[in-house]
Amino acid sequence: NAGVMQNPRHLVRRRGQEARLRCSPMKGHSHVYWYRQLPEEGLKFMVYLQKENIIDESGMPKERFSAEFPKEGPSILRIQQVVRGDSAAYFCASSPTGESSGNTIYFGEGSWLTVV
Amino acid sequence: SQKIEQNSEALNIQEGKTATLTCNYTNYSPAYLQWYRQDPGRGPVFLLLIRENEKEKRKERLKVTFDTTLKQSLFHITASQPADSATYLCALGDSGYSTLTFGKGTMLLVSP
Repeated sequence: NAGVMQNPRHLVRRRGQEARLRCSPMKGHSHVYWYRQLPEEGLKFMVYLQKENIIDESGMPKERFSAEFPKEGPSILRIQQVVRGDSAAYFCASSPTGESSGNTIYFGEGSWLTVV
Repeated sequence: SQKIEQNSEALNIQEGKTATLTCNYTNYSPAYLQWYRQDPGRGPVFLLLIRENEKEKRKERLKVTFDTTLKQSLFHITASQPADSATYLCALGDSGYSTLTFGKGTMLLVSP
């Protein structure tokens, strides 16, 4: 029973390039969450998606960042025109139902983005 | 604004002792609280969940308490082992669908 799969694990981009991070949730899970962890900072919520729907994107920066979870395939977090401040670990998590009281979410191993 | 505080200084203890980690929060009334373990370069791993109407939860060598009056949770690891060395994260959530708000974590170092 595979866990939450993220790729790439490590990604290096030059300033101005695009970064695409992929997340395949656990089998049977239809809810996906993206969190960002900056150096020396806690995990910060970015976006919550269900298949073909963005439920909550209150933590997403207004520009350059977008996320999708298509009917088929993995969830994608896309960062356009990356800047050095985007360097961070990006974690995806999934749950079988909407995250609620008593519901556990399962994290992937993260994608480490370095912008040079 | 909501604030979650975990001791930023690493906690150093000897093998066999009980480790106690603290999570304090302000401007928040969470429906539940979770503790996670995170190893360097890895994703957080869920350990325990405790709801607002629960005082204490146990799982093997782990114990969590939740005091909504003090706005504090304590996380205990009894008979600690070097393998318990990691960063431990506290996370709070609301009722219904919600997103988790995480503390910055406390590093635990258990020496043999």
